[in-house]
Amino acid sequence: GAVVSQHPSRVICKSGTSVKIECRSLDFQATTMFWYRQFPKQSLMLMATSNEGSKATYEQGVEKDKFLINHASLTLSTLTVTSAHPEDSSFYICSARLGGGNNEQFFGPGTRLTVL
Amino acid sequence: AQTVTQSQPEMSVQEAETVTLSCTYDTSESNYYLFWYKQPPSRQMILVIRQEAYKQQNATENRFSVNFQKAAKSFSLKISDSQLGDTAMYFCAFAYNNNDMRFGAGTRLTVKP
Repeated sequence: GAVVSQHPSRVICKSGTSVKIECRSLDFQATTMFWYRQFPKQSLMLMATSNEGSKATYEQGVEKDKFLINHASLTLSTLTVTSAHPEDSSFYICSARLGGGNNEQFFGPGTRLTVL
Repeated sequence: AQTVTQSQPEMSVQEAETVTLSCTYDTSESNYYLFWYKQPPSRQMILVIRQEAYKQQNATENRFSVNFQKAAKSFSLKISDSQLGDTAMYFCAFAYNNNDMRFGAGTRLTVKP
């Protein structure tokens, strides 16, 4: 089956620093990847849609200058949280979509970010 | 706008019994896809079952089946012979035309021994 990896699985950083999270589709090419944020006991909130070779599309209320997304290849998308603050602490999940139109997304295992 | 509603924040079921999780959605689209995802304590999202709206037959995957009522915009998940490993958050999701996926708020299912 389609496998998506995320790295790192956990990261702790100091306030004001930047953190990069990688999302890779291991056995398929993904023209579209998605980044979600999930607060405890809540649903997944879509942050942005990442298309290979083009700028990401951000959801309303998501700061594009704070959450930088790069989809440089068909198997890799990165999310960089710039100048992180404690309120950015959360669980971040990426997903990748196969082509073919069945709309199914395959999810990475998530990254827990803690900003001190 | 597409919305997905899960009206049961928490449910519990005895091991080996059957439980049904509810989901309703709102859309003006005629061709779309519906999904149930499971998120266990590991937080890895796992696809449980998928239904294409143009298919009248309800999808089935082993112990998991759906009751898809297109006119009522309802998409419930039935879990038969519940197992302890079924304990998880369950999310209903909607997607169409290769757009992004919209999730419901989730239902926390606990299977009791």
